[in-house]
Amino acid sequence: GAGVSQSPRYKVAKRGQDVALRCDPISGHVSLFWYQQALGQGPEFLTYFQNEAQLDKSGLPSDRFFAERPEGSVSTLKIQRTQQEDSAVYLCASSSSSGVGYGYTFGSGTRLTVV
Amino acid sequence: DAKTTQPPSMDCAEGRAANLPCNHSTISGNEYVYWYRQIHSQGPQYIIHGLKNNETNEMASLIITENRKSSTLILPHATLRDTAVYYCIVRPTDTGRRALTFGSGTRLQVQP
Repeated sequence: GAGVSQSPRYKVAKRGQDVALRCDPISGHVSLFWYQQALGQGPEFLTYFQNEAQLDKSGLPSDRFFAERPEGSVSTLKIQRTQQEDSAVYLCASSSSSGVGYGYTFGSGTRLTVV
Repeated sequence: DAKTTQPPSMDCAEGRAANLPCNHSTISGNEYVYWYRQIHSQGPQYIIHGLKNNETNEMASLIITENRKSSTLILPHATLRDTAVYYCIVRPTDTGRRALTFGSGTRLQVQP
């Protein structure tokens, strides 16, 4: 596609509910990243995939957060038993290479509100 | 990754040049300087990057000091659409750590 697509654009979840956020990267992009952005803060890294391999998940805040990219294209970020502190914008980015010289293309994000 | 320091906010008059500074005094030889911006309700957008030479593209110019401890992003003729948060990021060439580390950035307000 022309850009990175994320869905849904907005999600309201009741505390304790499970949610799944989807990311469609640019076709052929090898690298895919998830970030969490709290209100008024810069994006914070959650996890990184190279094709279907999850190479870095050091930023996932708890074991309630799980990400997958089974076929090396679309990725899903799942949050189990959501809590109010999970309210944030979740951004996905993809890149054609992990090397320097290639910019990352970000989606517009999913705004999650936990009530 | 080297830490960056940016002013929290800046104003600029429409049509004038916007000069956004960034300090990265602990930058190492294999680290590039990247600039991204984030317009309200959108994801960050790549602007420009460089290693030690000055760079220019259709969006902006990047001036890196000779000792590489600081840099300046220049928007030559700012418009209202340039109002955004601008992030300066340093990143190694390839150490296996591939994520971008964002700070708090500079909120640029372009005034009419």
